[in-house]
Amino acid sequence: GENVEQHPSTLSVQEGDSAVIKCTYSDSASNYFPWYKQELGKRPQLIIDIRSNVGEKKDQRIAVTLNKTAKHFSLHITETQPEDSAVYFCAAQTGGGNKLTFGTGTQLKVEL
Amino acid sequence: NAGVTQTPKFQVLKTGQSMTLQCAQDMNHNSMYWYRQDPGMGLRLIYYSASEGTTDKGEVPNGYNVSRLNKREFSLRLESAAPSQTSVYFCATTQDTSGNTIYFGEGSWLTVV
Repeated sequence: GENVEQHPSTLSVQEGDSAVIKCTYSDSASNYFPWYKQELGKRPQLIIDIRSNVGEKKDQRIAVTLNKTAKHFSLHITETQPEDSAVYFCAAQTGGGNKLTFGTGTQLKVEL
Repeated sequence: NAGVTQTPKFQVLKTGQSMTLQCAQDMNHNSMYWYRQDPGMGLRLIYYSASEGTTDKGEVPNGYNVSRLNKREFSLRLESAAPSQTSVYFCATTQDTSGNTIYFGEGSWLTVV
């Protein structure tokens, strides 16, 4: 089955700096790659996603890039703010059933 | 419009007890899922139901059973709880088309002592 690796596990940045989180996946048939943000004690919520026919997608301060050849995708957050502090999960979807395989998460801390 | 509703939110069980986690959605979605979340391990799929009347095992199904009662409801049962099942459980739903957003419930915190 699909295997998703996520790095780093923790990331600390200064307010205003950029943050980058990277994920790799194993199944070349994976075709949908969402990113979720989870605040402490809350449910994961989708922040951005990308499909395999697209190389990059942006939404204000957030962008995701996908390299199908290398089987990796990344989340980029620019001009970080304290409210960006949370755990971020990448995921990959393969085949039928709409099943997602998640990475192990990145704890992002934005320091003042 | 409540979205995805899970009950109970918190539960403490003794080893060997049984319990059922309930999930209901009002989004008219076909597919429903149960995930567990443990520190440092992300979210792992326990069981899913691609449509009413079907259920399939996910990555970590041992010790669990599920029932897709109707289109709205998908329950997760622990027949004989073990400390290793202490976790946060999330129900989730999506439309059946590949690449649609998956929406999560608020989570159920389960402790087995």
